[in-house]
Amino acid sequence: AQSVTQLGSHVSVSEGALVLLRCNYSSSVPPYLFWYVQYPNQGLQLLLKYTSAATLVKGINGFEAEFKKSETSFHLTKPSAHMSDAAEYFCAVSDEAGGFKTIFGAGTRLFVKA
Amino acid sequence: DTEVTQTPKHLVMGMTNKKSLKCEQHMGHRAMYWYKQKAKKPPELMFVYSYEKLSINESVPSRFSPECPNSSLLNLHLHALQPEDSALYLCASGRGRDQPQHFGDGTRLSIL
Repeated sequence: AQSVTQLGSHVSVSEGALVLLRCNYSSSVPPYLFWYVQYPNQGLQLLLKYTSAATLVKGINGFEAEFKKSETSFHLTKPSAHMSDAAEYFCAVSDEAGGFKTIFGAGTRLFVKA
Repeated sequence: DTEVTQTPKHLVMGMTNKKSLKCEQHMGHRAMYWYKQKAKKPPELMFVYSYEKLSINESVPSRFSPECPNSSLLNLHLHALQPEDSALYLCASGRGRDQPQHFGDGTRLSIL
């Protein structure tokens, strides 16, 4: 069955340090992949998406992700963490069966220390 | 700015009450969604409407009743809910599987 696995339910970094949030997917067809961020008491907001164009995708707020088919990964990175990056991050893949369903990972909570 | 608008932001209701959650989008998206989200969990899909017709129902209890009056509006009617139904209810809209979903800020529902 199709799935998304986010390694690490919690990640803690110091302000100014590299942010790396890991996501692995399973799909029998070329996937459409997304990273969303959720701040407290808000809905999910799109950070970036991969839809089979460039493998290195740039998103908002300085985030980027690289699609690696051989590793079935789509890890999210940011060179320098800011306090405002503290939030919940979800990796997601569109359902390969078609239609409009999206499969979400379990989420990773990012903590940023001053 | 949130392009998907949900009302109310907060709702407290008893187990015998009837209430409705409302969602509106004006982006011309053909699909609209209801999700339930518990604390520290990902959104859990409840219903999907495409072209105003119910296309996915994830075996949601009948005490939740969705309605799509037109392409811009989505309602979720609530009746005889249980305490375990307390959660954040998110509405979203989208164009298709190669495009992201746009989420509202949700309704925080508490069942007494």
